[in-house]
Amino acid sequence: DIQLTQSPSSMSASLGDRVSLTCQSSQGIGNYLSWYQHKPGKPPKPMIYYATNLADGVPSRFSGSRSGSDYSLTISSLESEDTAIYYCLQYDEYPYTFGAGTKLELK
Amino acid sequence: QVQLKESGPGLVQPSQTLSLTCTVSGLSLTSNSVSWIRQPPGKGLEWMGVIWSNGGTDYNSAIKSRLSISRDTSKSQVFLKMNSLQTEDTAMYFCARIGSGYRDFDYWGQGVMVTVSS
Repeated sequence: DIQLTQSPSSMSASLGDRVSLTCQSSQGIGNYLSWYQHKPGKPPKPMIYYATNLADGVPSRFSGSRSGSDYSLTISSLESEDTAIYYCLQYDEYPYTFGAGTKLELK
Repeated sequence: QVQLKESGPGLVQPSQTLSLTCTVSGLSLTSNSVSWIRQPPGKGLEWMGVIWSNGGTDYNSAIKSRLSISRDTSKSQVFLKMNSLQTEDTAMYFCARIGSGYRDFDYWGQGVMVTVSS
């Protein structure tokens, strides 16, 4: 199975900070990598798909990028509503696999 | 608009079979694919399997021997059946649509909590 390693596992940042979360794939998956925001009591919310594409309704402060097998989710200016756990997902190969998540908190 | 809603028993006894239903609206199952994903309490997300728009299925090999996904297109329902449940199968179970093109899971249900306990 393809392993996705997310880093950091948790972090805290201040309002207005630029925040970058990373997801590294154990095998090549092309651009078949997406990001989800997960808040307690709600289903995961799609944020980025196909590595760099913004999902519908997602604020433009979110962006996705790829460098080889490393993928990043960046928030250009952190807002309070962005606190959540962020998961990456590879959907290139079965079984689809998720990273372990990055918990993002406000400092 | 597209909506998915999971339903099923909240409590299942060990060794028994879990049966869940995902009822969809705003889409046709003959042209859309639906996956099941679960999340044990305090843990990460696990993809379980998918039923494709053509009715074919693919499963996570880790649970393939216990899992079956089917559908009734006339009722807009997707079914999950998993046998030989153990306590580690306690989780929130979600169904989600696979979007078209290069999309991943673009619409999710709210999830249903299943506890495996005697």
